[in-house]
Amino acid sequence: DTAVSQTPKYLVTQMGNDKSIKCEQNLGHDTMYWYKQDSKKFLKIMFSYNNKELIINETVPNRFSPKSPDKAHLNLHINSLELGDSAVYFCASSQIAVTRETQYFGPGTRLLVL
Amino acid sequence: AQSVTQLGSHVSVSEGALVLLRCNYSSSVPPYLFWYVQYPNQGLQLLLKYTSAATLVKGINGFEAEFKKSETSFHLTKPSAHMRDAAEYFCAVTHTGANSKLTFGKGITLSVRP
Repeated sequence: DTAVSQTPKYLVTQMGNDKSIKCEQNLGHDTMYWYKQDSKKFLKIMFSYNNKELIINETVPNRFSPKSPDKAHLNLHINSLELGDSAVYFCASSQIAVTRETQYFGPGTRLLVL
Repeated sequence: AQSVTQLGSHVSVSEGALVLLRCNYSSSVPPYLFWYVQYPNQGLQLLLKYTSAATLVKGINGFEAEFKKSETSFHLTKPSAHMRDAAEYFCAVTHTGANSKLTFGKGITLSVRP
């Protein structure tokens, strides 16, 4: 049983396209996150949702739009993809929206924009 | 503001040797500190965390870390390295204040030589 799953695992696309990444957690957690890991492996939070409500919205281009249809799912839609969007995107979840709680990470989605 | 410094980008040890990965933090309020491990092509997994209880924290796979407030450090150690420990290791910091988030260091790659 995968605790936090992401689809797709790999995504190769052209500049200017629109793409979505999906995340699901079966841990019963209230809080979910999106992180971006760049080519130097630096990890930075992008968004966080608690019970479907946005609670963290870092300085991210508005081409990135998260959506949480229910507390087990958090999707990331990216419009007008740019070369600099190439990265690994990780979804994570935690039991509650307290950052000392352990976060459980998905396997990542490797996005390559050509 | 909070931050984490992981000096160096790569540590290489022989199998059976001591592993020491350094982490120094900066936080204006009492911190919570974490070490996560990332195996190749996988998501992050929690090794251990300090949440203001015991300053010596034991984690999975034989790792431990000691919180030293006077040195603002949270170094990760393991007495005897194993080949399976080869991975990327991330130190992270957060706090309980409003708008807190998990801030990661840049990570350090551990290689284990046979």
